[in-house]
Amino acid sequence: DAGVIQSPRHEVTEMGQEVTLRCKPISGHNSLFWYRQTMMRGLELLIYFNNNVPIDDSGMPEDRFSAKMPNASFSTLKIQPSEPRDSAVYFCASSPSLTGELFFGEGSRLTVL
Amino acid sequence: TQLLEQSPQFLSIQEGENLTVYCNSSSVFSSLQWYRQEPGEGPVLLVTVVTGGEVKKLKRLTFQFGDARKDSSLHITAAQPGDTGLYLCAGGSSSASKIIFGSGTRLSIRP
Repeated sequence: DAGVIQSPRHEVTEMGQEVTLRCKPISGHNSLFWYRQTMMRGLELLIYFNNNVPIDDSGMPEDRFSAKMPNASFSTLKIQPSEPRDSAVYFCASSPSLTGELFFGEGSRLTVL
Repeated sequence: TQLLEQSPQFLSIQEGENLTVYCNSSSVFSSLQWYRQEPGEGPVLLVTVVTGGEVKKLKRLTFQFGDARKDSSLHITAAQPGDTGLYLCAGGSSSASKIIFGSGTRLSIRP
């Protein structure tokens, strides 16, 4: 079975540009999580969904960040406008439940110049 | 806010040595997970512990959940270079309905 699929794997953009990260969770998983990882702050939970509904977005750093899950097989994380401090690896993870095992994608490495 | 603190942050030891990594919190968790992450990849689950005092073994790795379900430890016996990676503990809280991660321990095993 395919795991969690994220795209793009790498993105380099300039400050002020819009960035869209994509995620396809494992089929049948009800919960989807977006994390951001940096050396300084570790793995931070940004937002998570259950049955396509956003449950908690308190980890989203500011209004420049938004996430959607229009259906059970697709989610996006958008940053508009992007800033250099947004540079990080963004992970999407899915799970059969909100506190069950997390299955991570390979991550999207974002560099904002 | 629930926080998980891991120690040490970095650990470099010789192949064949033993080591212990700690994960501590002031909060009670319904479950505690340990993940290992290798460069360029996402974290992968090693084990989940759910009962206070529970001990689980995975080959040379021994995981323990504290009696009060606020802390956990990972002990590796006879470390090998293949054990190198970032070890993350993660707490599951039924009240908060989410999983939060500790700060991580970066382990390096020298041949």
